[in-house]
This record gives sequence, C-alpha cells and structure tokens, in this order.
Amino acid sequence: DTGVSQDPRHKITKRGQNVTFRCDPISEHNRLYWYRQTLGQGPEFLTYFQNEAQLEKSRLLSDRFSAERPKGSFSTLEIQRTEQGDSAMYLCASSALGPTDTQYFGPGTRLTVL
Amino acid sequence: GENVEQHPSTLSVQEGDSAVIKCTYSDSASNYFPWYKQELGKRPQLIIDIRSNVGEKKDQRIAVTLNKTAKHFSLHITETQPEDSAVYFCAASKAAGGAQKLVFGQGTRLTINP
Repeated sequence: DTGVSQDPRHKITKRGQNVTFRCDPISEHNRLYWYRQTLGQGPEFLTYFQNEAQLEKSRLLSDRFSAERPKGSFSTLEIQRTEQGDSAMYLCASSALGPTDTQYFGPGTRLTVL
Repeated sequence: GENVEQHPSTLSVQEGDSAVIKCTYSDSASNYFPWYKQELGKRPQLIIDIRSNVGEKKDQRIAVTLNKTAKHFSLHITETQPEDSAVYFCAASKAAGGAQKLVFGQGTRLTINP
C-alpha cells in the first residue's frame, strides 16, 4: 500500500499522560499536514510541513502539542499532559510539491482520553 | 480567516435521483475547492476538486460548480447509488507560501434509500 499510513490507529490513554502518533506520507511527497476531526465535524487544520520545516501552526495547537518531521519523511505529533478535550481523530495528509497540491489523507489515529 | 458553511447537514434521496450539496466561503482569495467523501471509520477520500479559473468540472456522475462572484460552490451527484451513502465535506483553500491548508465545511450526511 503506497498511501498515507498512520500509527497507531487507536490510542486510549488516561488524562495527564503523553501520547505520540506517527504519520508516513506517500513517498516523495514534500508536504505534510496534520488535522484534527471531532465527531460530526469536518477536519480542522493543525500544522503543516514542507520537507522538514514546520511552516505554519494553527492557534488550535496549544503548547502541549508538538510536531516534528526530522528528515523530511515521516512525522510525529506529540500531545503532552493529555486532556479529555483532546479526544478526537488525528488525521495526516500529504501532497506533492507543485501547482495541484492535492492532499491525500491517512486513516487517522483515534485518541480517547479517559 | 476563511470560513466555510455547508448545507444541508443531512440529505436523504431515493436511489437513482440526484443529490446537491452547497457550500459558501468567506475569503475571496480562496482558489482551490476540493470535495471529500468519508465513509464511517475511514479516511476522507478526494472525489473531485475545482480551481478558481474553472466554473464547472465533471467526472462521470459527479460534478462541481463554482460561482466566484457569489463565493459558493456545489457538488452534484446524479443517478445516485447505495454506495454513494457517506459523509461529504467541502473545503476551501488558498496558496500561502506554497501551503494549501484546507478549511472544511461541517459535512453532509448523504443517505441513498433503495
């Protein structure tokens, strides 16, 4: 499967714990996006990488959230001191550098904070 | 910032009939408008997109129209089939430093009745 992959698919954690999610984009896609989707809503933009550079962060991304893409390939999203309000689906998307910039989504990581 | 409104939130049509979903956007600088289909528990999948230099685009049973003056765009599905049942999201974006972060509508749950 050459699509976007995410790991884990599901994560249940207790409030206050730290969690880390991984996204592997489509090979050779330079751009990588993180979105968050809560039940019954559309995805909301969190942050964006072009290669290894994090170029934009949403105000939704509090200080407890950090994202990295150290080698310009896979990316990680870490949430520290999780809160119940962090429960959501975390989606990753990637696109190729170019005029079309069509974004292809991964299956998401569903986070449940107890 | 950009705001996208999507209507209706739910839509039920008889198999074989047409379905229309409408979206409005607020930022006149937006220039890219994709539509995603999301089945329960699965990733959003791009079904069609349109750019601001085009007024209409069609792909088999699916078409999208764009009215830049009114800042609205619509998805048209003809000859609906049971497998068209899903949640559909519209989105809008504008290129900013190369990024095309998507701002999504709230989604439309489409049900095709056999």
